[in-house]
Amino acid sequence: QSALTQPASVSGSPGQSITISCTRTSSDVGSYNLVSWYQQHPGKAPKLIIYEGSKRPSGLSNRFSGSKSGNTASLTISGLQAEDESDYYCCSYAGSSTRVFGGGTKLTVL
Amino acid sequence: QVQLQQWGAGLLKPSETLSLTCAVYGGSFSGYYWSWIRQPPGKGLEWIGEIYHSGSTNYNPSLKSRVTISVDTSKNQFSLKLSSVTAADTAVYYCARMGSGIHQGYYYYYMDVWGKGTTVTVSS
Repeated sequence: QSALTQPASVSGSPGQSITISCTRTSSDVGSYNLVSWYQQHPGKAPKLIIYEGSKRPSGLSNRFSGSKSGNTASLTISGLQAEDESDYYCCSYAGSSTRVFGGGTKLTVL
Repeated sequence: QVQLQQWGAGLLKPSETLSLTCAVYGGSFSGYYWSWIRQPPGKGLEWIGEIYHSGSTNYNPSLKSRVTISVDTSKNQFSLKLSSVTAADTAVYYCARMGSGIHQGYYYYYMDVWGKGTTVTVSS
């Protein structure tokens, strides 16, 4: 099964941009590459912010963007705001009709 | 607008069976996969498994021997049962709808609608 690795934490100042990586342990292609990203504030349910690697749900700020390079998917948040401080998770197909989440990244807005 | 409402017992003793149900309101039940995800206190998200509206299931291999996900299309509901629970199963359990698409011939899925979560504690 494919696993996903995220940094435990990232930080940035208001107005800056940050990038969170999500690296797959295997070199699979196809559905494995089509990562989704979720934002989770404390005590709340996760919220979808990116799907199919780079698409945003309707109504979501364009400050959030997704990309991919090789085995690594990335979430970039530009123009950081205080309300972006949250936990972020990537998720992908893991083979054999299963799915896997990355370990999560805590974003701190300084 | 689709909403998921979930409920179930919040306090269990070791060896008991966890049972949760998620009801779908305001949208179609057919044509979707429906998932269960959990989050132990202070830890990350773990995918438990999913069910298609027709009843086809996929499970996390690490939980497969203890998990059963079922569907009741007449009520637009799906349910999770996890047997022989231990303290390690203490978590917030979420239900979610799986959106889907096709990209260059490959299907992809994502959790686009989530329930609010149910806290389940396993303690003697």
